Amino acid sequence: GAVVSQHPSRVICKSGTSVKIECRSLDFQATTMFWYRQFPKQSLMLMATSNEGSKATYEQGVEKDKFLINHASLTLSTLTVTSAHPEDSSFYICSARYEAGATQYFGPGTRLTVL
Amino acid sequence: TQLLEQSPQFLSIQEGENLTVYCNSSSVFSSLQWYRQEPGEGPVLLVTVVTGGEVKKLKRLTFQFGDARKDSSLHITAAQPGDTGLYLCAGLNAGNNRKLIWGLGTSLAVNP
Repeated sequence: GAVVSQHPSRVICKSGTSVKIECRSLDFQATTMFWYRQFPKQSLMLMATSNEGSKATYEQGVEKDKFLINHASLTLSTLTVTSAHPEDSSFYICSARYEAGATQYFGPGTRLTVL
Repeated sequence: TQLLEQSPQFLSIQEGENLTVYCNSSSVFSSLQWYRQEPGEGPVLLVTVVTGGEVKKLKRLTFQFGDARKDSSLHITAAQPGDTGLYLCAGLNAGNNRKLIWGLGTSLAVNP
């Protein structure tokens, strides 16, 4: 199956700093990437949908100025959490798909802890 | 708004028991996927069901898609401690945006 990587796998930062998380599709070109947030033992909450070369579409309630998404190439999308606060601490997961209707392949997730 | 109700939310059973997880919706999905996720890792796709009434088997796991493509079930026979994890169902929206609609997840603990 297709492989999606995320970096870093864990990050701890101080309140007020910004953190960038990378999502890469390693063996296929991802026209669309998705960013999710997940709390312990809960389901995935879609934050935004990112299409290569265009602006991300954010879900209702997700602040686009706080969670900056860039999908500059067919194999890389980044999520930057700006001015992070402790309530932003969570597990962030990306997924990628080749085309609409195709299977989404998930990254291993990034555990963000904001002190 | 499309919703996918998943039940039960939590399940703790003894090794060797059988269990069934349900996902129900009032909406029709073009397909439905089941994932298993372990702590600290991303979800791993178990199966995709596409055709109404479809049944797929993966060793001790049996997946069924309802005739109307609105509901699905996952049945595990003779559960083992290695089956412990979070099971998620996700329906693929039949509309233009083709987003996955997620159930709330079932946290399964199989005790030895």
